[in-house]
Amino acid sequence: ELKVEQNPLFLSMQEGKNYTIYCNYSTTSDRLYWYRQDPGKSLESLFVLLSNGAVKQEGRLMASLDTKARLSTLHITAAVHDLSATYFCAVVSNSDEKLTFGTGTRLTIIP
Amino acid sequence: DTGVSQNPRHKITKRGQNVTFRCDPISEHNRLYWYRQTLGQGPEFLTYFQNEAQLEKSRLLSDRFSAERPKGSFSTLEIQRTEQGDSAMYLCASSQAGNIQYFGAGTRLSVL
Repeated sequence: ELKVEQNPLFLSMQEGKNYTIYCNYSTTSDRLYWYRQDPGKSLESLFVLLSNGAVKQEGRLMASLDTKARLSTLHITAAVHDLSATYFCAVVSNSDEKLTFGTGTRLTIIP
Repeated sequence: DTGVSQNPRHKITKRGQNVTFRCDPISEHNRLYWYRQTLGQGPEFLTYFQNEAQLEKSRLLSDRFSAERPKGSFSTLEIQRTEQGDSAMYLCASSQAGNIQYFGAGTRLSVL
């Protein structure tokens, strides 16, 4: 059974600082996604990572994938308040199409 | 393209009642997924369709739950004899096979 773990679960950061969220998964996968969720809202797709060494960047967020280590990272550069949200990684196993989500990282940016 | 649409947004029901939710996917998407999310957790997979065929169901989907996608377009999720443990956000997503899943705003169910 595919398991996805994220850490940290909670993260408070000061504006302007850098930090990284980690996502580990237990079996081989050919796709990994990062989603953002604001309180009471649905999930917004941020990145899809398809291959080993893949790196995607959008604004202050950068995601990378190491399939050999079964690890993805979401790096936040010079955080701003608008980035406060819960971030989920989700993995698609090689045998089916369902997403298995991590527990999420609740990010709070403090002015 | 208006995205994935779910109705109702909120549903409050008494224990033992039946409820039905509707999901309208993005029009050209052939895959449709249902997930359930409880407070402080990530979404958990319930079931998915390719066109009108239901291809997989989670163990979470007890026999009180049934989902349909009769014409390969919209889908319904019905919960019979609701229990308090069914209280959650029910999320629908759609995709073209192998591509990003786009989520709707969800239906928040409260069972009293």
